[in-house]
Amino acid sequence: SQTIHQWPATLVQPVGSPLSLECTVEGTSNPNLYWYRQAAGRGLQLLFYSVGIGQISSEVPQNLSASRPQDRQFILSSKKLLLSDSGFYLCAWSVRVAGELFFGEGSRLTVL
Amino acid sequence: AQSVTQPDIHITVSEGASLELRCNYSYGATPYLFWYVQSPGQGLQLLLKYFSGDTLVQGIKGFEAEFKRSQSSFNLRKPSVHWSDAAEYFCAVGVRGAGNMLTFGGGTRLMVKP
Repeated sequence: SQTIHQWPATLVQPVGSPLSLECTVEGTSNPNLYWYRQAAGRGLQLLFYSVGIGQISSEVPQNLSASRPQDRQFILSSKKLLLSDSGFYLCAWSVRVAGELFFGEGSRLTVL
Repeated sequence: AQSVTQPDIHITVSEGASLELRCNYSYGATPYLFWYVQSPGQGLQLLLKYFSGDTLVQGIKGFEAEFKRSQSSFNLRKPSVHWSDAAEYFCAVGVRGAGNMLTFGGGTRLMVKP
C-alpha cells in the first residue's frame, strides 16, 4: 500500500533563517506531488505541484521554492523565512491531476 | 475557473443529532467531487468521492454525500453525529481533463455538544 511521510512535524525558526521540509511517498511510481499551506483559521492554499522529476509549477509567487530530486521525494525550501510563512504545510500525492489526493500528516512551522 | 463554496464556517450540533454540511461548486461540466476531514494538527483524510454513476455516495465513518447536478451541490450528511466527528471538513472539486488541480472550499468547522 501507498504511504506518505513528511518531516519535521514541528519547526520553530527565526525570521531570516532557511527552511527545508521533506516529503516522500512509498508504494507508487511517478506520483503527482503537491505542497499546500494552511494559515491559521484559513483554508488550503496550493503552493507547488509536480508531475515529474525536476518539473515544478508554482501557484503563488513568494519566497518559497520546491524541488523534486527523485521520483517520490518533494522538498519545500526557503532561503530566508518571513513571519508570514508561519502555517501548517501539507504534502500530498495523487495518481492523476484533479484526482483523489492523499495527504501527509503535516508540518507546523512557526516563524518568530 | 471553478470555485467551491462552503457557506457555513462553523456548525455546532448535539451528539446524536443529524448533520448536513453544505458544498456548492461553480463549473459547467460534471466535476470530480470529494469530502475530506481534518482533525486538529493532522493531515486531511478522504471521507468519500464522486466520479460518476450513483449520485448518492457512501463514505467512511458513516458519512454519505449526494451529488445534485441541478443545484451544483455535494452536501455531506450523517444521520447521527458522534463526539469524535468534531473536526474541520473540506469539500473539493476536480475538473476532468489534464492540467487542473483540485479546488478546495474554505472548510466548515464542526463542533459537537455532549
